Amino acid sequence: KQEVTQIPAALSVPEGENLVLNCSFTDSAIYNLQWFRQDPGKGLTSLLLIQSSQREQTSGRLNASLDKSSGRSTLYIAASQPGDSATYLCAVSSRTGNQFYFGTGTSLTVIP
Amino acid sequence: NAGVTQTPKFQVLKTGQSMTLQCAQDMNHEYMSWYRQDPGMGLRLIHYSVGAGITDQGEVPNGYNVSRSTTEDFPLRLLSAAPSQTSVYFCASSYSAGRNEQFFGPGTRLTVL
Repeated sequence: KQEVTQIPAALSVPEGENLVLNCSFTDSAIYNLQWFRQDPGKGLTSLLLIQSSQREQTSGRLNASLDKSSGRSTLYIAASQPGDSATYLCAVSSRTGNQFYFGTGTSLTVIP
Repeated sequence: NAGVTQTPKFQVLKTGQSMTLQCAQDMNHEYMSWYRQDPGMGLRLIHYSVGAGITDQGEVPNGYNVSRSTTEDFPLRLLSAAPSQTSVYFCASSYSAGRNEQFFGPGTRLTVL
């Protein structure tokens, strides 16, 4: 069974700092990996989707990388802002792409 | 587009009662899925569907039924609610399984007494 781990569980940084969130998974036979943001009491918002054949994806201040062979992904957030405060979740798909496995998330607080 | 909608937003049930959580999407997505989110456990897949008339079990299917008679709707049925089913339930959809990003609904917070 696929196990997804996100470290750290919580992170607090001053505004303007660059930061890296980590996601690791035990089975490298994945179809894709997706990063989400979840605000308290809300649903999930997709940030970036990386297909298994890709190494990275970028959107604005966000950059996600994927090293499938080592079972790792990182989400890099540049010049953090208080509005970035949220829980960040990564999810990996099964080999067929039909089933998804989530980590427990990293709770990020950006201090003004 | 309304995206993915879920009703109700909150629900309280007594043990043994049944109910249906509604999920609808207006993006013509083939893939739809249901998750539950529990503290410290992350989101876990309950059931999913790759198209109308096709459903399959996820990681935690026991106690839940689904059907997919139309592309737009994917209801989740709790047959006999138990306190262990107290959770936040999310519905998600994507154009096709695996290839495209998933879009999530706002969630239903269910309490079973």
